[in-house]
Amino acid sequence: EVQLVESGGGLVQPGGSLRLSCAASGFTFSSCRMSWVRQAPGKGLEWVASIKEDGSDKYYVNSVKGRFTISRDNANNSLDLQMNSLRAEDTAVYYCARAGVAVPGRVFDYWGQGTLVTVSS
Amino acid sequence: DIVMTQSPDSLAVSLGERATINCKSSQSILYSSNNKNYLAWYQQKAGQPPKLLIYWASTRESGVPDRFSGSGSGTDFTLTISGLQAEDVAVYYCQQYFTMPFTFGQGTKLEIK
Repeated sequence: EVQLVESGGGLVQPGGSLRLSCAASGFTFSSCRMSWVRQAPGKGLEWVASIKEDGSDKYYVNSVKGRFTISRDNANNSLDLQMNSLRAEDTAVYYCARAGVAVPGRVFDYWGQGTLVTVSS
Repeated sequence: DIVMTQSPDSLAVSLGERATINCKSSQSILYSSNNKNYLAWYQQKAGQPPKLLIYWASTRESGVPDRFSGSGSGTDFTLTISGLQAEDVAVYYCQQYFTMPFTFGQGTKLEIK
C-alpha cells in the first residue's frame, strides 16, 4: 500500500524558515517523480514544486523560486521541502504527492494527508 | 501560465441524477504530436487530500467507478457524474499538465439537492 506521511508543519513568523518532510513507503520511491502541492485555508490547490526521480532536476512555481528548495533522499525514501523567507501567503496545508504511474511526473496519483504551515506574527 | 476556469463554482444535484462540471483552459492543452489532452480531474472530500479520478481528459484511474466520465478537447472539458450518489459530495478540481507550472481550476463544490 502506497503511503505518504508529511511532517514538519507548524507556526512560524514572517521571514522565518521551516523544513517539511515526507516519508514514502509501499512503492519504488526512486522510480517516481515527487511533488509538493499546497492548499490555503478554504482555497484551491496550487502546485509548488517537483523533483525528478534522481533529484537531478527541480521545478518550482514562480512565487516560491529562490525561497523554497525541494530535495529527496532515495536511500531513505524521503522527500523534503526547505522553506525560507516565509510570507503570510505561504500559509497552507502542504501535501506530498507522487507524480507517478498514470502520467509520470505530471499527474498526482497518491497524496499524503498534508501538514499545515501557518505564517503569522 | 495556463489559467484553468471551472463552472459552476457550486451545484446541487438530486441523488441518482447527473452532475456536469465544466473546465476551460486559457490555451489549448491538446498536444498535436500524440493527440492527447493534458487534463486531469480530482475529487476532494471534506478533510481529505485530493484523489485522482481521470487523466488524459477521459481515462479513469484504476478503481474509480464508471459513473465518472471525462470528455472534451482543446480548451473545453467536462466531468460528468451519472447517477449521483451521496458519497460523491466533494469539491472537484481540473488540472492541466501540458506545461509547467501545473495549474488547477478553482474547484467546483458538489452537493446533494
